[in-house]
Amino acid sequence: AQRVTQPEKLLSVFKGAPVELKCNYSYSGSPELFWYVQYSRQRLQLLLRHISRESIKGFTADLNKGETSFHLKKPFAQEEDSAMYYCALSNFGNEKLTFGTGTRLTIIP
Amino acid sequence: NAGVTQTPKFQVLKTGQSMTLQCAQDMNHNSMYWYRQDPGMGLRLIYYSASEGTTDKGEVPNGYNVSRLNKREFSLRLESAAPSQTSVYFCASSDLWEQFFGPGTRLTVL
Repeated sequence: AQRVTQPEKLLSVFKGAPVELKCNYSYSGSPELFWYVQYSRQRLQLLLRHISRESIKGFTADLNKGETSFHLKKPFAQEEDSAMYYCALSNFGNEKLTFGTGTRLTIIP
Repeated sequence: NAGVTQTPKFQVLKTGQSMTLQCAQDMNHNSMYWYRQDPGMGLRLIYYSASEGTTDKGEVPNGYNVSRLNKREFSLRLESAAPSQTSVYFCASSDLWEQFFGPGTRLTVL
C-alpha cells in the first residue's frame, strides 16, 4: 500500500530563514510526487510536481528515490508562505492521489 | 470558468438526518473526487469517479454514498449523519497532472 508521511504537524520559521518541509513516502511502483498548498481562506491548489522540475514561488523539491523522500525547500521564507502544505503521491499516469497529513507552516515576522 | 463549485458552504445536521453535498465542474474532466479534511489526519479520499457512470470507494467510504450524475456533477450523500462525520468536505476534479479543488463544505453533526 502506498503511504505518505509528513512528520511535522506544525513548523514555525522566522522570515528570511530557510524552510524545509519533510515528506517521506512508501510505494513499490513508479511514483509521481506533488506538493499542494492551502493558504488561509483559499482553495487547496497545486504548488509543484516533481516531474516538471519547476521552482514555484521560490520553492523546490527533489525526489530522492534512495531515501524515498520529497522534501520541500525554500532558501528565504516570506510571510506569505504561511499556509498548510500537503505532500501527495500517485501512480504514474493515475490521477488518484494519496495525501500526507499536512504541515502547517507559520512564518514569524 | 468557475472551476469546481460546491454547495452548501456550511451545514449543521442532527444525528440521523440525511443530506446531499453537491459538486460540479466546468473543466470537462473525467475524474472527480470527494475528500474529508480533519485536523491531524489530512485529506482522506471518500469516493472517486474515474469517468461518468463509474464510482469507486476510497479510504473512508463507510456512511457515504455517491452519484456521478453526468460528466459535470458528482454528489455525496450522508444517509444517516453521525457526529464522526463532522468535517470539512472537499470535491475535486482532475486532468492527468493536477487536481482542482472546490471551496469546501463545513459540516457539523450534533
